[in-house]
Amino acid sequence: DAGVIQSPRHEVTEMGQEVTLRCKPISGHDYLFWYRQTMMRGLELLIYFNNNVPIDDSGMPEDRFSAKMPNASFSTLKIQPSEPRDSAVYFCASGPQGAYNEQFFGPGTRLTVL
Amino acid sequence: AQTVTQSQPEMSVQEAETVTLSCTYDTSESDYYLFWYKQPPSRQMILVIRQEAYKQQNATENRFSVNFQKAAKSFSLKISDSQLGDAAMYFCAYRGTTGNQFYFGTGTSLTVIP
Repeated sequence: DAGVIQSPRHEVTEMGQEVTLRCKPISGHDYLFWYRQTMMRGLELLIYFNNNVPIDDSGMPEDRFSAKMPNASFSTLKIQPSEPRDSAVYFCASGPQGAYNEQFFGPGTRLTVL
Repeated sequence: AQTVTQSQPEMSVQEAETVTLSCTYDTSESDYYLFWYKQPPSRQMILVIRQEAYKQQNATENRFSVNFQKAAKSFSLKISDSQLGDAAMYFCAYRGTTGNQFYFGTGTSLTVIP
């Protein structure tokens, strides 16, 4: 398996622009998680899905952030409009059912908002 | 919500020596799982080791072992015979059996001195 795939790996945009981050989880995994990592706040859970259904989005910082999972093999995280404070590394992770199981992380998307 | 605390933002170790990274957590659950993840400069998160709370025996994976003290809610990672490739950020994580999300600590940055 190719692992969790994220695109783009790097994104530079200007304030006010819409940004869409993409994730392809590992086939067969029931859970998908979106995280944001910054020096100041560490690793923050933004939202997670179970079988394509959003379960907990309490970590989504503002209405400017939205996430979708239209099918089992694809998810997006959208920021509209983007702001400089959104600059961070965004990780997608997936995992199978069962608390024993680890999360498998993607390589992350480094977002810079100018 | 559960909290995970890593009180050592930075640690250093001489190559070939042993180092221990600390992690404590807070939970009211009796059954749960604990994980250590490694994030090297490539930023790819990699699972190092996991521990099941109902198992008294400490987990071991080659040079990596844990000291799990359930009553004290402590879960430290010991790295023996440290190698240059061990230099990374290390995250402790908790996952309960009633919820599905992971709770991460703030990380410990490990430097290995040649």
